[in-house]
Amino acid sequence: GAVVSQHPSWVICKSGTSVKIECRSLDFQATTMFWYRQFPKQSLMLMATSNEGSKATYEQGVEKDKFLINHASLTLSTLTVTSAHPEDSSFYICSAPQGQVQETQYFGPGTRLLVL
Amino acid sequence: QKEVEQNSGPLSVPEGAIASLNCTYSDRGSQSFFWYRQYSGKSPELIMFIYSNGDKEDGRFTAQLNKASQYVSLLIRDSQPSDSATYLCAVTNNAGNMLTFGGGTRLMVKP
Repeated sequence: GAVVSQHPSWVICKSGTSVKIECRSLDFQATTMFWYRQFPKQSLMLMATSNEGSKATYEQGVEKDKFLINHASLTLSTLTVTSAHPEDSSFYICSAPQGQVQETQYFGPGTRLLVL
Repeated sequence: QKEVEQNSGPLSVPEGAIASLNCTYSDRGSQSFFWYRQYSGKSPELIMFIYSNGDKEDGRFTAQLNKASQYVSLLIRDSQPSDSATYLCAVTNNAGNMLTFGGGTRLMVKP
């Protein structure tokens, strides 16, 4: 299957700082990538759709000014959590679709964010 | 009503048994259906997808789809303790470009 990487895998930061998470498709190009957040013992929640060359599309209830998304190239999307607070502590996962016959979402390994 | 529904479990089966995981969805226009496995603290990994009515087999896994009943299931034969994880059902929207996840079913396979 296709490979998606994320960096960093772990982040611990102080409240008020900004954190950038990178998502890369390693062996394919992705004009669209998706960002999810998962709190402990809960399911994945789609935050936003990252679009190469245009603005991201945010799900209802997700603050676009707090979660900045930049799809810089066909293989890279970044999520910046601005002025992070403890309630932003979560597991952030990106995915990218790949496949000619059947488009399938492949997930990155995730980034665990802990805001102190 | 949630768009994709799964029983949260835990579903407990003995080693070697068949585990049956079920999922219902509300959007009749959904095109494709996926099963992901997620181990604790890890991101989801794709097990298999199905988009035609009927059964699709891949090793110990069989996905079953019934679009008329808006129902998709995953059977795991000869369950192993290593199969213990949360299984996520995901459904694409009408346009086929976005996944909606169910809440997941936690499977426990006991030795």
